[in-house]
Amino acid sequence: QLVLTQSPSASASLGASVKLTCTLSSGRSSYAIAWHQQQPEKGPRYLMKVNSDGSHNKGDGIPDRFSGSSSGSERYLTISSLQSEDEADYYCQTWGTGLVVFGGGTKVTVL
Amino acid sequence: EVQLLESGGGLVQPGGSLRLSCAASAFTFSNYAMSWVRQAPGKGLDWVSSITIGGGGTYYADSVKGRFTISRDNSKNTLYLQINSLRADDTAVYYCTRTIGGSGVYSAFDIWGPGTMVTVSS
Repeated sequence: QLVLTQSPSASASLGASVKLTCTLSSGRSSYAIAWHQQQPEKGPRYLMKVNSDGSHNKGDGIPDRFSGSSSGSERYLTISSLQSEDEADYYCQTWGTGLVVFGGGTKVTVL
Repeated sequence: EVQLLESGGGLVQPGGSLRLSCAASAFTFSNYAMSWVRQAPGKGLDWVSSITIGGGGTYYADSVKGRFTISRDNSKNTLYLQINSLRADDTAVYYCTRTIGGSGVYSAFDIWGPGTMVTVSS
């Protein structure tokens, strides 16, 4: 079964960094994922695709403060120099034959 | 600017039907697989359906199979979702999304529309 697991919440101070984790279910460590940001009352926005080797392809206009990485079955999104507009929900997404799966989302609070 | 714009949402009674549309602009629509994703109030994202670039391949989440039909008109740059036999748990914002180019029907969704709200209630 293809499942993505995310922590429900994370927080960090303005100007600090936060690292979000998305964990693939057992046996899926080769899968790529995508990260999406959803600010309050808005639709989601694509941030980047993260491959199993840690390489990532960011969407147009995504600031350098956002970066992706991988380790085993974990995929990461790091946000550096946190700004107030980074307070949002962050979802990871993956895909397999016949289906697409989203993680439950992580709510990031900027303190 | 590359854009997707959904329309067709509204209030419908249980058992009713709606047809959602998604108008694409500023990219070659016929070169991209497309999908619908929904989000119930206060909940996370939930994949609904995907369609190949030519429309010959369609795929559905188990929760909507047999009730929802995805289609596209490449001459009109428009994606559709016909939703029938609506239930209260279909209440959600429905988003149109584009799949990253050159990746087949299943890959990252790189463009999202603002969404259209569907409310199922008597």
